[in-house]
Amino acid sequence: TQLLEQSPQFLSIQEGENLTVYCNSSSVFSSLQWYRQEPGEGPVLLVTVVTGGEVKKLKRLTFQFGDARKDSSLHITAAQPGDTGLYLCAAAGGSEKLVFGKGTKLTVNP
Amino acid sequence: GAGVSQSPRYKVAKRGQDVALRCDPISGHVSLFWYQQALGQGPEFLTYFQNEAQLDKSGLPSDRFFAERPEGSVSTLKIQRTQQEDSAVYLCASSAYRGEWDEQYFGPGTRLTVT
Repeated sequence: TQLLEQSPQFLSIQEGENLTVYCNSSSVFSSLQWYRQEPGEGPVLLVTVVTGGEVKKLKRLTFQFGDARKDSSLHITAAQPGDTGLYLCAAAGGSEKLVFGKGTKLTVNP
Repeated sequence: GAGVSQSPRYKVAKRGQDVALRCDPISGHVSLFWYQQALGQGPEFLTYFQNEAQLDKSGLPSDRFFAERPEGSVSTLKIQRTQQEDSAVYLCASSAYRGEWDEQYFGPGTRLTVT
C-alpha cells in the first residue's frame, strides 16, 4: 500500500505571507492530484500533475511534481484568508480509487 | 444534476442502530466511490462501483458495511449495528471514467455521529 506523507500537518500564517506544503512517498506515481477541502464540503480538485519535473500554476498557487515522481509540493504566494482550508494530495491507488495523504490544515489570518 | 448530492447531511445514531446513507452522482457518471474521513484525516477508500458492478470493496472495514448501486446511478451505503468508531464523514464521489486518473467529483458528505 502506497503511503503519502504530508507536511506540515498544521500551518497558521498571516495574510500576505508565502507558504509551501509537501507531499512525499517512497512510491513512484503515474500522476498526483492536489485537492482543497473546506469545512462541511467535499474535496475539490485543484490540479493533476503527470510528468516528472512538471510545474503548474493556478493564479497564486504553484504545483511541482518531483523529477522521480515520488514527491510534490504546493506553494502559495501572498496567501489570503480565502485560501484557508485542508489541502490534500492524492494518488491513484489502483482500480481508479484514490489514496490520500492526511492533509495540511491551513489557516490564513487577516 | 449540477453536482454530487448526499443525504442526509447529518445523522446521529445510537450504538447498535442501522443507518443508510444515500449518494446521487453526477448524471451519466459511470464510476462511483465511497470514502470515509475521520476527523482531522484525509479520506480513506471504502468501495467502488462501475455502473452497477461493485469492482472493489477492499476498504470496507467490516462485514457490517454494505454498499449497493442496483441501477447504476444512485448508491446507498448501509452500516449495520453501528459502533462509536464508525463516527466519521462519509464522502461519495463520481467520475466519468476516462482513465486511471480521471477527475473525481465529491459530494458534501454525510457526517455520522454514533452515540
